[in-house]
Amino acid sequence: EVQLVESGGGLVSPGGSLRLSCAASGFTFDTYNMNWVRQAPGKGLEWVSSIIASGPFIYYLDSVKGRFTISRDNAKNLLFLQMDSLRAEDTAVYYCARGQSRAPGGRLSWFDRWGQGTLVTVSS
Amino acid sequence: EIVMTQSPATLSVSPGGRATLSCRASRGMSSNLAWYHQKPGQAPRLLIYTTSTRATGVPARFSGSVYGTEFTLTIDSLQSEDSGLYYCQHYHNWPLTFGGGTKVEIK
Repeated sequence: EVQLVESGGGLVSPGGSLRLSCAASGFTFDTYNMNWVRQAPGKGLEWVSSIIASGPFIYYLDSVKGRFTISRDNAKNLLFLQMDSLRAEDTAVYYCARGQSRAPGGRLSWFDRWGQGTLVTVSS
Repeated sequence: EIVMTQSPATLSVSPGGRATLSCRASRGMSSNLAWYHQKPGQAPRLLIYTTSTRATGVPARFSGSVYGTEFTLTIDSLQSEDSGLYYCQHYHNWPLTFGGGTKVEIK
């Protein structure tokens, strides 16, 4: 069974840092694009970042570029999101999501499996 | 950036009825569109990808279509478990973007 389990959320002050983790199981992790998607309280979904399975390709939402860093450890089936210089507007539930593409090696994905999410609250 | 505009914001449908949800893209994007369903307190669930392909385990009463840049999700024979929020998402280019969502209520 495919499982994605996020951890690392919590309360942090503006300007602070957090590192989110996503533990994947039930599938061949290193063959899938992996993604972070967030949802602010009472708001819609917002894609944050993607890391591509088939090469050193990484993409970010403009508003998090230079502040967030996505990475993966294929040996341990782990996805990470290092979040620095956090702002109040980063407050959201952060979901880890597995990506699927139209063609093998494709970078642009839809999200076929989601974790349960971890809440990040940026507040003083 | 491709902007996805969903309408209506809220849809109230009787059990057994049909719900028609719209998602309009700000420009052409081929068939690179997915639909998700989210219930309160839960993660989204994939329903449809490449405009009209149902994800594994999704009932046949869910269908997707497109006309130009207007994508439609149709839910036939609406059931109580179909209530919640529905989001469209394009994957035509970067950044990936979602629509603002349509809330489906069962009368």
